[in-house]
Amino acid sequence: QSALTQPRSVSGSPGQSVTISCTGTSSDVGAYNYVSWYQHHPGKTPKLIIYGVTERPSGVPDRFSGSKSGNTASLTISGLQSEDEADYYCCSYAGHYSFGVFGGGTKLTVL
Amino acid sequence: EVQLVQSGAEVKKPGESLKISCKGSGYSFTGHWIGWVRQMPGKGLEWMGVIFPGDSNIRYMPSFQGQVTISADKSISTAYLQWSSLKASDTAMYYCAREVWGAVEYWGQGTLVTVSS
Repeated sequence: QSALTQPRSVSGSPGQSVTISCTGTSSDVGAYNYVSWYQHHPGKTPKLIIYGVTERPSGVPDRFSGSKSGNTASLTISGLQSEDEADYYCCSYAGHYSFGVFGGGTKLTVL
Repeated sequence: EVQLVQSGAEVKKPGESLKISCKGSGYSFTGHWIGWVRQMPGKGLEWMGVIFPGDSNIRYMPSFQGQVTISADKSISTAYLQWSSLKASDTAMYYCAREVWGAVEYWGQGTLVTVSS
């Protein structure tokens, strides 16, 4: 069982928007603005797409956005494209471990 | 350019020992936390632990404490993940990762470890 809870799968059609939730506790997601998101295509290295809850690294399209409310963080992908089909993981700094904990991952299917 | 280059794939038998490596370049190796992330077949990402090469401060996720050893040799900018007695359940892809406040800024290319009799 992962420390952070994500839906196992989400889907959407090209051009639509999808949101992936990531629920933690008051000791991780709720306590720190250190939530990050990763896109992972099978067979490739995971890619950082959001850090610090809302920040995008250079080169990541602004179709990807992050937010947080209480103990739940969210990743929204707008204008879905076929290449967005991948696994997505959230991660939060957790004070009781003094480093990060991942969510279980969400498989995004672009219909 | 920051790079983390990991050692190659390994095939081992249960009970054998193993040490895999991750060489950092393009940044101050001693000034950043670096750690290891496991992905078992068909499963998600899991932080195993991290080390600060500057002072060898190490933190382990409780589920990995005592199961693996994380170390670093700052003279050659290399971090290590070590097992003394492998089990079949250690079969996984292992990524090294430069960590900051729980996030992975940079990833190694991954080392596939297969443990089978």
